[in-house]
Amino acid sequence: GNSVTQMEGPVTLSEEAFLTINCTYTATGYPSLFWYVQYPGEGLQLLLKATKADDKGSNKGFEATYRKETTSFHLEKGSVQVSDSAVYFCALNPPDYKLSFGAGTTVTVRA
Amino acid sequence: GAGVSQTPSNKVTEKGKYVELRCDPISGHTALYWYRQSLGQGPEFLIYFQGTGAADDSGLPNDRFFAVRPEGSVSTLKIQRTERGDSAVYLCASSSMGQAGTQYFGPGTRLTVL
Repeated sequence: GNSVTQMEGPVTLSEEAFLTINCTYTATGYPSLFWYVQYPGEGLQLLLKATKADDKGSNKGFEATYRKETTSFHLEKGSVQVSDSAVYFCALNPPDYKLSFGAGTTVTVRA
Repeated sequence: GAGVSQTPSNKVTEKGKYVELRCDPISGHTALYWYRQSLGQGPEFLIYFQGTGAADDSGLPNDRFFAVRPEGSVSTLKIQRTERGDSAVYLCASSSMGQAGTQYFGPGTRLTVL
């Protein structure tokens, strides 16, 4: 079946530190891959996506590259801010509309 | 335009009661999804509508759960004889035909069954 495994948290960083959240997946076919973010008190927001191998998604300084050979979609940001504190979810769409999510990684950035 | 909206934002009910959760998708989005998010977990798929019909309800946990979308826009998730294990955040998402795979989520309804 389809599944997503992402790095367990919580992760605590200082401002301007480098952030990586690992995400690997298992899927049949050619899934699209997503990172969603949930800021405190808010709903899930799409952060970035990639629809095919070697695509790089990017948004708000975050990047993730679709690596088919390693079935990975790791999220990175070079210099985090306090406002990046949130829960981050990796997800895949097989594609058949049923998004499969990882368990989420809580990131806290301290000033 | 407006995003996906869900009402109520919070619902507290007693075990055995009936509840209805409402979702207003983004205008023009034909596809609508319901997910359930338990504490500390990622959302899990419940049901998918394409237009008025439930194209896939394989994620509904049992027959106490039912969802409708009578006019192809607003959807209602209905839970009968609620149990404490139903406590979770219920998320609704919508997408347009031309953006397969990009689902936009509402803020969720937090259901607490006492």
